[in-house]
Amino acid sequence: AQTVTQSQPEMSVQEAETVTLSCTYDTSESDYYLFWYKQPPSRQMILVIRQEAYKQQNATENRFSVNFQKAAKSFSLKISDSQLGDAAMYFCARTGANNLFFGTGTRLTVIP
Amino acid sequence: SQTIHQWPATLVQPVGSPLSLECTVEGTSNPNLYWYRQAAGRGLQLLFYSVGIGQISSEVPQNLSASRPQDRQFILSSKKLLLSDSGFYLCAWSAGTTGSPLHFGNGTRLTVT
Repeated sequence: AQTVTQSQPEMSVQEAETVTLSCTYDTSESDYYLFWYKQPPSRQMILVIRQEAYKQQNATENRFSVNFQKAAKSFSLKISDSQLGDAAMYFCARTGANNLFFGTGTRLTVIP
Repeated sequence: SQTIHQWPATLVQPVGSPLSLECTVEGTSNPNLYWYRQAAGRGLQLLFYSVGIGQISSEVPQNLSASRPQDRQFILSSKKLLLSDSGFYLCAWSAGTTGSPLHFGNGTRLTVT
């Protein structure tokens, strides 16, 4: 089965600290894309970061960066200098044919 | 810039009643369009996607249907709602090129009573 697994249903981080959210996936394709989406209490899905599987360099967007391990099929998200506004559900996703496969999400709490 | 509008934001409908959720995209042409459902505590499940007018692909057999009467309009419908249709429905669009991300609407919370 081509699935995306997020093994941490909930995580918490102290404000200004760093947290890493885990994601593993399964695929038989050699070329694909990976995404992290953020869903705050407003429920809107917001794209956080994108990684192309054929690029070995880890993607970075300001305080958000990924650790992409293609051989291990792992795609973790690191949030540095956590802010209260980072509190949300975070979903990892992988491209499929005309689709994105999503994980079940990790709820991140930021402690002031 | 591209924007996506989805309405209504909230809907409470009795069992057996019809459903129509609408989604429109502005600022782009020939987008891929998607309907997802998100159950509580779970990820997103793809219901339908469309790569062009009148072209609908269904991923999950169910009580729902989708239509794309115009290039940037995507409608999710049901003739008779079931209790199990309750959930959070999200419309999304993408440019359709390889690796292009999905951009989501604000979602519709549907409660079937």
